[in-house]
Amino acid sequence: QKEVEQDPGPLSVPEGAIVSLNCTYSNSAFQYFMWYRQYSRKGPELLMYTYSSGNKEDGRFTAQVDKSSKYISLFIRDSQPSDSATYLCAICDTGFQKLVFGTGTRLLVSP
Amino acid sequence: NAGVTQTPKFQVLKTGQSMTLQCAQDMNHNSMYWYRQDPGMGLRLIYYSASEGTTDKGEVPNGYNVSRLNKREFSLRLESAAPSQTSVYFCASSDGGLSEQYFGPGTRLTVT
Repeated sequence: QKEVEQDPGPLSVPEGAIVSLNCTYSNSAFQYFMWYRQYSRKGPELLMYTYSSGNKEDGRFTAQVDKSSKYISLFIRDSQPSDSATYLCAICDTGFQKLVFGTGTRLLVSP
Repeated sequence: NAGVTQTPKFQVLKTGQSMTLQCAQDMNHNSMYWYRQDPGMGLRLIYYSASEGTTDKGEVPNGYNVSRLNKREFSLRLESAAPSQTSVYFCASSDGGLSEQYFGPGTRLTVT
């Protein structure tokens, strides 16, 4: 079993839709959770970071963590064509300096 | 600031050839990383360097070697390239620990 599972998509939505992107993880030692966004032919860039269960909001983006279910989500409100990218979840435990990445979900927002 | 730079951007190799991928960062970061990204596999850590003078294996180190030349530069060497090493290679740097990793633009490598 992979340490982090993520549906590769693609996920196609119309502009203005609410998008839900999800990851599950297997190791309860993981305590830190991140979402990276990667545009086509570019390197990933950090979008959001959280370490606790619950929600964290940043503009149109909300990261949600449920440690009891080992499930993390990223919600995008009022999605825009410029949000079209691959979204990768990344997790880390307290003992390492390494991130474990999901495979990424490709999101397509059509005008 | 250029951030993280990688050279070359593209490379085609024949099986058995060797090459070195170069990475440099100008953010004075202590930690540097090499990843490969393959369809359906996501980003996988090849090697990392927590600080100048140290290197450690990641998830997929076989067939690769690294050198942390100084604080700025971290190179990845393929001694005898194989088709299975066809991938996009990303270098990243960070302050270490849980701090944000900054990625370079990637090197697209094809081994025939």
